[in-house]
Amino acid sequence: GAVVSQHPSWVICKSGTSVKIECRSLDFQATTMFWYRQFPKQSLMLMATSNEGSKATYEQGVEKDKFLINHASLTLSTLTVTSAHPEDSSFYICSARAGSNQPQHFGDGTRLSIL
Amino acid sequence: GEDVEQSLFLSVREGDSSVINCTYTDSSSTYLYWYKQEPGAGLQLLTYIFSNMDMKQDQRLTVLLNKKDKHLSLRIADTQTGDSAIYFCAESLSSGNTPLVFGKGTRLSVIA
Repeated sequence: GAVVSQHPSWVICKSGTSVKIECRSLDFQATTMFWYRQFPKQSLMLMATSNEGSKATYEQGVEKDKFLINHASLTLSTLTVTSAHPEDSSFYICSARAGSNQPQHFGDGTRLSIL
Repeated sequence: GEDVEQSLFLSVREGDSSVINCTYTDSSSTYLYWYKQEPGAGLQLLTYIFSNMDMKQDQRLTVLLNKKDKHLSLRIADTQTGDSAIYFCAESLSSGNTPLVFGKGTRLSVIA
């Protein structure tokens, strides 16, 4: 149980393109989803916390107009990287949990490469 | 503020036991977690322990929690080459709907 599916797993696109990444909880309802960014050989950097039906809470330094998060249902959150540039290239990972005292379960990540 | 510290590297021989250590600063932690990340993949939840427990064992994995010293460890018995990965320690705070606080991860290398 507790499977989180993230799609796509790998994206290569041209500079200026907007890219949408989906995160789905397959067998549980996720009241909260999290989006992380991970640079090579580093730990995860939390970008934003997303609660179903409300606006995401962004961490300091993360541009909300650049990284649009939508959490429209209890099983789906999306991250859209708008007008992506090479410096946005990274590994993006989502996680989801059923409640505040439940563990976070992670997707397999999306490798984004902007040319 | 919250802080989770881990050593960055650990190297062991196949068949030996591995012990990965973690210290945290926030005494209000409710749950402490161990995640495993293989190259190019997301994080896999290995095990977690509630803060009122001292030990939890699950097959080859043993988690020890010393709440007084704010020290958490993960022991992997009979370490295999497939255990080579990065292991992240994380704490969950008691203050409601907050994200996990992660350590920087320990890279475990298993030598055949």
